[in-house]
Amino acid sequence: QVQLVESGGGLVKPGGSLRLSCAASGFTFSDYYMSWIRQAPGKGLEWISYIRPSGSGTYYADSVKGRFTISRDNVETSVYLQMNSLRVEDTAVYYCARKGQGGSGLDYWGQGALVTVSS
Amino acid sequence: DIVMTQSPDSLAVSLGERATINCKSSQSVLYSSDNKNYLAWYQQKPGQPPKLLFYWASTRESGVPDRFSGSGSGTDFTLTISSLQAEDVAVYYCQHYYNIPWTFGQGTRVEIK
Repeated sequence: QVQLVESGGGLVKPGGSLRLSCAASGFTFSDYYMSWIRQAPGKGLEWISYIRPSGSGTYYADSVKGRFTISRDNVETSVYLQMNSLRVEDTAVYYCARKGQGGSGLDYWGQGALVTVSS
Repeated sequence: DIVMTQSPDSLAVSLGERATINCKSSQSVLYSSDNKNYLAWYQQKPGQPPKLLFYWASTRESGVPDRFSGSGSGTDFTLTISSLQAEDVAVYYCQHYYNIPWTFGQGTRVEIK
């Protein structure tokens, strides 16, 4: 069955860096767009990035552009989010999600990784 | 950016009654090339990740009960729960994926009256 497992969350000081990983299994990883979405405590969902199946195209929300970098390893079947210059407002649960094929939405989500940015 | 606005922010419905959630986009999410609306609905229960309910506005994801339905086109969309069950208590989000950036509505909390 499809599984997405995030890791790498934790507490970091403002201005610091963190790298999230999302290990995928149960499907042909190299066939799918992958995305990161975050949810601040008690708030709604915010899409922040996605990456094409080959890794050749990456897209970002303005709120993270220039600070966050999405990447993937189709051999390791993992997607990553490198987060630099972290701000207090980046505190959130970060979910990785698979975009379904064709015109589908985000059809599988991980359980999320909590990132807390605080001094 | 396309702004997604849901209404109401919350609603309380009796068990077995109908619940209706609206979602309005600030511009059309209907792709003329394939005549499909790039609009999805998600359900999020406490402590869980979101779950995809519908894509293309009205195509039900596998395993979603048929008491849930999605409708609408262009800029106005609706998620309907025809007969609310206790397990439907959740926050529901609409999301467009018409262009970048993808954006979500603010969410609608559904509770039992």
